[in-house]
Amino acid sequence: QKEVEQNSGPLSVPEGAIASLNCTYSDRVSQSFFWYRQYSGKSPELIMSIYSNGDKEDGRFTAQLNKASQYVSLLIRDSQPSDSATYLCAVNTNAGKSTFGDGTTLTVKP
Amino acid sequence: GAGVSQTPSNKVTEKGKYVELRCDPISGHTALYWYRQSLGQGPEFLIYFQGTGAADDSGLPNDRFFAVRPEGSVSTLKIQRTERGDSAVYLCASSLLGPNEQFFGPGTRLTVL
Repeated sequence: QKEVEQNSGPLSVPEGAIASLNCTYSDRVSQSFFWYRQYSGKSPELIMSIYSNGDKEDGRFTAQLNKASQYVSLLIRDSQPSDSATYLCAVNTNAGKSTFGDGTTLTVKP
Repeated sequence: GAGVSQTPSNKVTEKGKYVELRCDPISGHTALYWYRQSLGQGPEFLIYFQGTGAADDSGLPNDRFFAVRPEGSVSTLKIQRTERGDSAVYLCASSLLGPNEQFFGPGTRLTVL
């Protein structure tokens, strides 16, 4: 079992729809959680961070964390073609090690 | 301000050669990470520096890999006796304090022939 698991996709949604991306992690001592967006041929770009249970909203993005279920998700509202990318979930322990999932590829169709 | 920079952007070398990859983090960021990424996979953690010291080097695959950050700013990842399996994009990231939000450089694409 990988430490951080994501559905590889591809996930395809129509423009304007909500895209839902999911991530589970195995290390219960994980303390901080991040979502990165990676366009093809580019490096990851931070879009959301979340540290406590519940929801965190930033514009069209909402991150949700449930530590009891070891689950973190990212919702993208009003999806745009420019949101088409690979979304990486990352989990940090306080000791510093940062573990990434293999990403979910999202395609938003006009 | 300037982001994380990495040099070279591309490096082609022959099996068995030695390579050095450089990372210049965002000014003032105390934490620096090295990752490598293969096609279709997420970044694989290699090493994490807090200041000048390696706080966690558990991701270095073997003793051919070594990294330094002598003055707490620029870091160099060194790979000895390169193998074809070392071919990947090597990413560097920095964060302001400890295990926090990371900002990535553009990466160095290493190809070992």
